[in-house]
Amino acid sequence: IAGITQAPTSQILAAGRRMTLRCTQDMRHNAMYWYRQDLGLGLRLIHYSNTAGTTGKGEVPDGYSVSRANTDDFPLTLASAVPSQTSVYFCASSESGNNEQFFGPGTRLTVL
Amino acid sequence: RKEVEQDPGPFNVPEGATVAFNCTYSNSASQSFFWYRQDCRKEPKLLMSVYSSGNEDGRFTAQLNRASQYISLLIRDSKLSDSATYLCVVNGRGGTSYDKVIFGPGTSLSVIP
Repeated sequence: IAGITQAPTSQILAAGRRMTLRCTQDMRHNAMYWYRQDLGLGLRLIHYSNTAGTTGKGEVPDGYSVSRANTDDFPLTLASAVPSQTSVYFCASSESGNNEQFFGPGTRLTVL
Repeated sequence: RKEVEQDPGPFNVPEGATVAFNCTYSNSASQSFFWYRQDCRKEPKLLMSVYSSGNEDGRFTAQLNRASQYISLLIRDSKLSDSATYLCVVNGRGGTSYDKVIFGPGTSLSVIP
């Protein structure tokens, strides 16, 4: 692994189903983030983690949960997907909050 | 008022032209400023950080005006490969509040042959 990876690349999901988007970084960054990007709205922060073991809510956290059991992994879970969660999801990491954020390639999620 | 605002464009410019983007932010306590570039259907990538004294990287120049609360990006001698969306990023507080890293909506640039 080099940098930050996300899986799956894309997914079509039925409404009401549970889905976990995976994110892994190998840069030993302290901070990790989940964003969603929608046309006309730009990137919006869903959840973040300052360091392993801690998480916080961003701008649009409702319907999503995260965990940070270790430094490398930061999964995002949709407990019961709804069509409004159709979006492109980007995971990112940084050494700290003031540093450059490195982004994963994104996951395109469609909820029908 | 949105915390970070940008002119969405699109900016359509000929090759070789000079183009400038502005970005305004509302939080006067903002500490860190960046320009990111995002190609179509790709992830954002850092173009350059923006320092108080202004900084230059080849054809790209970034400026910060704290008094007026805006940052700018100047691209000289535009290339076809500069076509992308440029995102302004502002960290709302210093170091401890990661939830205040705000991305602007982006400005779309198309460089035309």
